[in-house]
Amino acid sequence: GAVVSQHPSRVICKSGTSVKIECRSLDFQATTMFWYRQFPKKSLMLMATSNEGSKATYEQGVEKDKFLINHASLTLSTLTVTSAHPEDSSFYICSARGYKGDNEQFFGPGTRLTVL
Amino acid sequence: DAKTTQPTSMDCAEGRAANLPCNHSTISGNEYVYWYRQIHSQGPQYIIHGLKNNETNEMASLIITEDRKSSTLILPHATLRDTAVYYCIVNSGGSNYKLTFGKGTLLTVNP
Repeated sequence: GAVVSQHPSRVICKSGTSVKIECRSLDFQATTMFWYRQFPKKSLMLMATSNEGSKATYEQGVEKDKFLINHASLTLSTLTVTSAHPEDSSFYICSARGYKGDNEQFFGPGTRLTVL
Repeated sequence: DAKTTQPTSMDCAEGRAANLPCNHSTISGNEYVYWYRQIHSQGPQYIIHGLKNNETNEMASLIITEDRKSSTLILPHATLRDTAVYYCIVNSGGSNYKLTFGKGTLLTVNP
């Protein structure tokens, strides 16, 4: 099956610093990648949708200047949390949808971000 | 996308079938029913999806009622590793393919 990886799996950073999270589709080309955030005991919330080579589309309430998304190739998307604050601490999950024409999304294992 | 309603939690004995219901009474004709599950602290895992007909794969079966207003995910022989939150999602696919996750059902498989 399709595999999506994320790096790093866990990251701890200080307030005010920026953190980059990578999402890779390992065995297929992803036309669209999605970024989600999940707080403890809550469901996944979609943050943004990115298509290769174009600007990401952000969901209402998500600050595009704070959560920078780049989808420069068909196998890689990055999410950069800029000027991180403790309230940004969360589980960030990406997913990818490929060329196959099937509609299922394949999810990465997630990245646990802790901002001190 | 249509809204879905699922029970908050369910229990199942190991080795028995787990039947997880989902109500999607406002589903429209071009919307698929998707099931994902999330084991604690992991990313969601795709299970199965369907439009009108019942579907079966190596993981589960999906039974969709004739009026498509509800469906049931069946895990035929639940194991302890099937303990997870199961999400039923309705989506029309296409270019605007965004999944909206509800609260899902926490299935606990007991030994």
